[in-house]
Amino acid sequence: GAGVSQSPSNKVTEKGKDVELRCDPISGHTALYWYRQSLGQGLEFLIYFQGNSAPDKSGLPSDRFSAERTGGSVSTLTIQRTQQEDSAVYLCASSWGGAQETQYFGPGTRLLVL
Amino acid sequence: QKEVEQDPGPLSVPEGAIVSLNCTYSNSAFQYFMWYRQYSRKGPELLMYTYSSGNKEDGRFTAQVDKSSKYISLFIRDSQPSDSATYLCAMEGSGTYKYIFGTGTRLKVLA
Repeated sequence: GAGVSQSPSNKVTEKGKDVELRCDPISGHTALYWYRQSLGQGLEFLIYFQGNSAPDKSGLPSDRFSAERTGGSVSTLTIQRTQQEDSAVYLCASSWGGAQETQYFGPGTRLLVL
Repeated sequence: QKEVEQDPGPLSVPEGAIVSLNCTYSNSAFQYFMWYRQYSRKGPELLMYTYSSGNKEDGRFTAQVDKSSKYISLFIRDSQPSDSATYLCAMEGSGTYKYIFGTGTRLKVLA
């Protein structure tokens, strides 16, 4: 079946603009995760959804970052007033839910803030 | 200090070599240990996982966990150019959902 998909694959924006990143998880997966991958930093956890609710938003770096998930499926990560330090690869993963379920990753969105 | 430390490399080896990739960690609550492989411009994919100390083998790959030393390893036997990728270790505490990743080690296998 289809894997996790993300769009756009690449995004170039100007400092101060808002961006929206989309994630389509594997059908039936109840858990959805957003990570950020910067050069030399590994994957940094941002937020976790179980269904439509987000029990843990602790990884969001500032209030400029927000995310929502609708219908227990598609999720959108929004970054307002982008800064150059927001440049990174944003990865989405989904799983069947629960601890220690395999997380399946999408290909990521490469964001460059000029 | 990061919870999970991993040498970023790059590590270059000739084809056929045995590769050893390692991570150390500081949180003794970690119970679930994983290795992900990430090809350039792709998302990470799960390679192996293990719950406890000891070895787990899958084809050319062996994962090893030493909880007493807080040290995990991934061995790749008879390495191939197609193994060239970034290898990320990841860990999870018992009953949690949050994976903590290492920075990843870039591996290049030369033909």
